[in-house]
Amino acid sequence: GENVEQHPSTLSVQEGDSAVIKCTYSDSASNYFPWYKQELGKGPQLIIDIRSNVGEKKDQRIAVTLNKTAKHFSLHITETQPEDSAVYFCAASRDQAGTALIFGKGTTLSVSS
Amino acid sequence: NAGVTQTPKFQVLKTGQSMTLQCAQDMNHEYMSWYRQDPGMGLRLIHYSVGAGITDQGEVPNGYNVSRSTTEDFPLRLLSAAPSQTSVYFCASNHRGANYGYTFGSGTRLTVV
Repeated sequence: GENVEQHPSTLSVQEGDSAVIKCTYSDSASNYFPWYKQELGKGPQLIIDIRSNVGEKKDQRIAVTLNKTAKHFSLHITETQPEDSAVYFCAASRDQAGTALIFGKGTTLSVSS
Repeated sequence: NAGVTQTPKFQVLKTGQSMTLQCAQDMNHEYMSWYRQDPGMGLRLIHYSVGAGITDQGEVPNGYNVSRSTTEDFPLRLLSAAPSQTSVYFCASNHRGANYGYTFGSGTRLTVV
């Protein structure tokens, strides 16, 4: 089955710096890769996703890149703000609709002002 | 439109007791899933369903049963609770063919003593 590895497990940056979180996956049939943000005491919330026919996607300060050959994808957050502090999860699925998402173990991002 | 509703929010069980975690969504989503979240382990898929009457096992199905008699409801049953099932449980739903990710509930924190 699918296995998703996520690094780093913790990341501390200064406000205004960029943050990068990387994930690798094992199942070459996976073709949908979402990123979720989880704030304390809440359920995960989708922030951005990418499909296998796209190499990069951007939404304001957040971008995701995908390298299908190497089976890795990354989340990039620019101009970080304290409210970006949260746990971020990457995930992978064979289904474009995201059925049976397999998650990485998460990255705790701390942005200090 | 309430989204994904999970009940109860908190529960303490004794080893060997049984209980059902409830999950309901009012968005007419075909796909529903159950995840458990443990420190340092990320979100692990327990069971999922692609429609009423159809369920399948995820990464960690042992000790849990599910059924999907209606589109709206996807209860998770613990037949004989064990301390290893102490966790935070999340239910999520999505629309078949959607171009957006899963909507998660706010979670149920379960402690088995």
